[in-house]
Amino acid sequence: GQSLEQPSEVTAVEGAIVQINCTYQTSGFYGLSWYQQHDGGAPTFLSYNGLDGLEETGRFSSFLSRSDSYGYLLLQELQMKDSASYFCAVRLPSGGSYIPTFGRGTSLIVHP
Amino acid sequence: GAVVSQHPSRVICKSGTSVKIECRSLDFQATTMFWYRQFPKQSLMLMATSNEGSKATYEQGVEKDKFLINHASLTLSTLTVTSAHPEDSSFYICSASLGGNSPLHFGNGTRLTVT
Repeated sequence: GQSLEQPSEVTAVEGAIVQINCTYQTSGFYGLSWYQQHDGGAPTFLSYNGLDGLEETGRFSSFLSRSDSYGYLLLQELQMKDSASYFCAVRLPSGGSYIPTFGRGTSLIVHP
Repeated sequence: GAVVSQHPSRVICKSGTSVKIECRSLDFQATTMFWYRQFPKQSLMLMATSNEGSKATYEQGVEKDKFLINHASLTLSTLTVTSAHPEDSSFYICSASLGGNSPLHFGNGTRLTVT
């Protein structure tokens, strides 16, 4: 089966930098994605890494090391609105579709 | 682009009744949509993969006769919770992508409460 491990909770202060780690064990690998979900809302796509290295999108960056089965999401210049749950996810081919599996999610709490 | 609309956003129903939830891709065609269930402070649990024009593929432990999925067109998938019970109360979310391994776009979810 597939499993993704990430910390359950991370706290930080406004303006700081925080890193959310994700380690995975999957049968095959086709990239690691990150999603953000605010309480009561729907997940939204943040970033994707198909190859090793860093992908930067504004204040958010994501890193992947396939040899270590490890990735992280880096959030810079934290704002109160960044308080949310963050999920890493993989999708694996099955029956013609790419089936998603999500980590348990990391609750990020940003303090003033 | 890539907007997914889910309706209704909230529904309260009595035990024993059925509830239909719609998921539409508004500006793209989705041959595959996914249905999830999410409990508070927990991850998204994939319930089934909805394939246009064919039967849905259900994850282990999900009752196909209880959670009926129909994907009649390239822009619409429906999830019907049949004979709902209070334990079916949850947040149900759908998602779709532009194809292959492209990012998932989610509907806003449906909060189901069964009394």
